Amino acid sequence: KAGVTQTPRYLIKTRGQQVTLSCSPISGHRSVSWYQQTPGQGLQFLFEYFSETQRNKGNFPGRFSGRQFSNSRSEMNVSTLELGDSALYLCASSFRDRGSLRGNEQFFGPGTRLTVL
Amino acid sequence: GDSVTQMEGPVTLSEEAFLTINCTYTATGYPSLFWYVQYPGEGLQLLLKATKADDKGSNKGFEATYRKETTSFHLEKGSVQVSDSAVYFCALRLTGGFKTIFGAGTRLFVKA
Repeated sequence: KAGVTQTPRYLIKTRGQQVTLSCSPISGHRSVSWYQQTPGQGLQFLFEYFSETQRNKGNFPGRFSGRQFSNSRSEMNVSTLELGDSALYLCASSFRDRGSLRGNEQFFGPGTRLTVL
Repeated sequence: GDSVTQMEGPVTLSEEAFLTINCTYTATGYPSLFWYVQYPGEGLQLLLKATKADDKGSNKGFEATYRKETTSFHLEKGSVQVSDSAVYFCALRLTGGFKTIFGAGTRLFVKA
């Protein structure tokens, strides 16, 4: 099975611009989560999507948004970029068999490294 | 709220030394527990997991036992190698939950 793929792998933007990151989960996985990783804050949860619906959201401003398509692929968007948005953005997918412990673990993609100048 | 606390790094060991990275958690429900590893420039890889009390997860010589009485999930390896140098994250996920909570990560350096 192919793993989680994220595109692009690297991105350079300037302040005020917007950016869209893409994530393709492992085939058959219906849950996709997004995380921001920075040296200072560590891994911070952004949001999780399941069956095209956002199920949980972390403590990030409204500039951060996402969506999930019917094929489970997901995108996240950051508008009005700030210098502090420079980070590694990680996507993770899981099978998500609701109500059981099966498929509970998440599998991560390689990340998109965003640099805001 | 739910949280994960792991020992601060960096941890520096010589090759073939014994490794322990402590992890404790606080959870309102019944979590599954995980250890992830991140090599430089890469995403996170699932190292091992345990889904209920007294379960032992193991992989590549690493082990961790889900201890409900002490709310702990310490990572151990009997003999580390230089290739084990990485950042290790302890994490929990509640059954039916939509969020994985990660510890701050522990950087491990193994010297030849």
